Amino acid sequence: ETGVTQTPRHLVMGMTNKKSLKCEQHLGHNAMYWYKQSAKKPLELMFVYSLEERVENNSVPSRFSPECPNSSHLFLHLHTLQPEDSALYLCASSRTYRGADTQYFGPGTRLTVL
Amino acid sequence: GNSVTQMEGPVTLSEEAFLTINCTYTATGYPSLFWYVQYPGEGLQLLLKATKADDKGSNKGFEATYRKETTSFHLEKGSVQVSDSAVYFCALHKSGYSTLTFGKGTMLLVSP
Repeated sequence: ETGVTQTPRHLVMGMTNKKSLKCEQHLGHNAMYWYKQSAKKPLELMFVYSLEERVENNSVPSRFSPECPNSSHLFLHLHTLQPEDSALYLCASSRTYRGADTQYFGPGTRLTVL
Repeated sequence: GNSVTQMEGPVTLSEEAFLTINCTYTATGYPSLFWYVQYPGEGLQLLLKATKADDKGSNKGFEATYRKETTSFHLEKGSVQVSDSAVYFCALHKSGYSTLTFGKGTMLLVSP
């Protein structure tokens, strides 16, 4: 399988649940990203990892916890979310961090928080 | 700071019509400029890009020219198809920054 994959594609969870989103890239890239896409808002960058090290955290609430065990995998752990966290969560990767390299996106996980 | 402004959508066209989606940006220096497209149920994918002034990016019949004097990167296509229906995002990358600054996206709806 090539490109960037994300699982699950859809997730419904209650406010007290704990769940995780998974992203895997098969492109040999060194940088990975989590974005949040809400209706009628620009894409919001949440986290950036470069060579498995978190290099950016854009004021994201602690109920979102990223993990990057290796350069091919990225997780987003979710706990005690709020209904306003319902959105499409997109993972992306690029060859390097800070260069104008093309970012390749996964299909996203559609999250609904009840 | 850096910012990207796109025209509000949706843009509704008939098949074979001419398309223009406006994009203007604010940034110092010479950012790289991108158009990404998001088809229904999918993530974003790069459509075209330009890295310096007067460059023209093109792909799948779409074109955009990097205009430094007007800080614009308008997307055009001479004859749209139903399969072009999607959301189009203009974005910039400023050297030294980690990632892209996106516009809010413009939905394009093409009817037969």
